[in-house]
Amino acid sequence: QKEVEQNSGPLSVPEGAIASLNCTYSDRGSQSFFWYRQYSGKSPELIMFIYSNGDKEDGRFTAQLNKASQYVSLLIRDSQPSDSATYLCAVSRAGNFNKFYFGSGTKLNVKP
Amino acid sequence: DTGVSQDPRHKITKRGQNVTFRCDPISEHNRLYWYRQTLGQGPEFLTYFQNEAQLEKSRLLSDRFSAERPKGSFSTLEIQRTEQGDSAMYLCASSIADPYNEQFFGPGTRLTVL
Repeated sequence: QKEVEQNSGPLSVPEGAIASLNCTYSDRGSQSFFWYRQYSGKSPELIMFIYSNGDKEDGRFTAQLNKASQYVSLLIRDSQPSDSATYLCAVSRAGNFNKFYFGSGTKLNVKP
Repeated sequence: DTGVSQDPRHKITKRGQNVTFRCDPISEHNRLYWYRQTLGQGPEFLTYFQNEAQLEKSRLLSDRFSAERPKGSFSTLEIQRTEQGDSAMYLCASSIADPYNEQFFGPGTRLTVL
């Protein structure tokens, strides 16, 4: 079982819609959760992180964490074509928060 | 530019050659990480430093791989006797020593082993 699982996609949404990206993780002791955006051929860019159950909002982005279900999601409101990229979920464990475990990413296509 | 920098950005080498990559972290960051990413996969952890101390190495880091951060500033990653399976993007990230540990990535070095 992989540490972090994401649907590879592609997830296609029309411009202006809400894109919902999901991630599950296997270690119940996981502590912090990060979302990165990666454009093709580029390096990952940090969007936001969350460590408490519930929602955390940053501009058009909302991260949601449910530790009981071992589930973290990223919502992108008012999606733009420039949001088209691969979104990576990363998780760190309690006691070793330096080592990130990444999912394989979900490819998002926002259609004009 | 005050972000993480990596050099070179691209490296093409022949199997069996040695290669060395450099990473300069964000200046106030005392933690530095190396990851490897292959096509269609997320980054895989290789190793990390806190200041000059290498605190963890992944099992992915075979004896052919060595990393250093001699003065707690820039770091180098060397691969000896390269193999075709080493072809990947090598990513460096840095963070400050706080509980949240937000890691910021450099542009990466793309290695192609022929």
